[in-house]
Amino acid sequence: AQKITQTQPGMFVQEKEAVTLDCTYDTSDQSYGLFWYKQPSSGEMIFLIYQGSYDEQNATEGRYSLNFQKARKSANLVISASQLGDSAMYFCAMREGGWVYTNAGKSTFGDGTTLTVKP
Amino acid sequence: GAVVSQHPSWVICKSGTSVKIECRSLDFQATTMFWYRQFPKQSLMLMATSNEGSKATYEQGVEKDKFLINHASLTLSTLTVTSAHPEDSSFYICSASRPLYNEQFFGPGTRLTVL
Repeated sequence: AQKITQTQPGMFVQEKEAVTLDCTYDTSDQSYGLFWYKQPSSGEMIFLIYQGSYDEQNATEGRYSLNFQKARKSANLVISASQLGDSAMYFCAMREGGWVYTNAGKSTFGDGTTLTVKP
Repeated sequence: GAVVSQHPSWVICKSGTSVKIECRSLDFQATTMFWYRQFPKQSLMLMATSNEGSKATYEQGVEKDKFLINHASLTLSTLTVTSAHPEDSSFYICSASRPLYNEQFFGPGTRLTVL
């Protein structure tokens, strides 16, 4: 069974500073995908970044980067130059392999980290 | 990006009534949709996987007869909460898979309050 662990229920960061949100995972699959989503107070889920299990390079998307350490089974999200609008709940998720071709592949979510950016 | 809509965005109903929530993929065909339930400040819990033209696959512990899922077309899946009770009050979110895209596309969610 897949499991995602986010050990930080809440985090604070000063505006313009960088912050790392932790995520560890457990799976017996060789092929899987790791995702980070942002959920503001409105409730919508916003996709931030994706890392495939076979990707050798760490994923980056603008101010977001994913520190992927496969041997340690960790996929930490790094947000650089934090902005007030980054205050939200952040979820790490894992998707079982093969979804791209089968349209299946349910996701498992961590418990989330609430990030608060201080002005 | 792909858009997934949900209707209604919020609903209040009396205990014992049934409520239907619609999830639509607006600009792509979704053969697979997922229904999640989320309590305040908690994670998303997968309820079921909805497959177009076939029966939904429910997660362990989810009552099939209480949470009816119908995926009648490639752009529409519905979740019906039957005989709703106050403990069914929650935030319900659907998502859809799109071919060759890695991420799931989420609807904006439906907040259900059962009085």
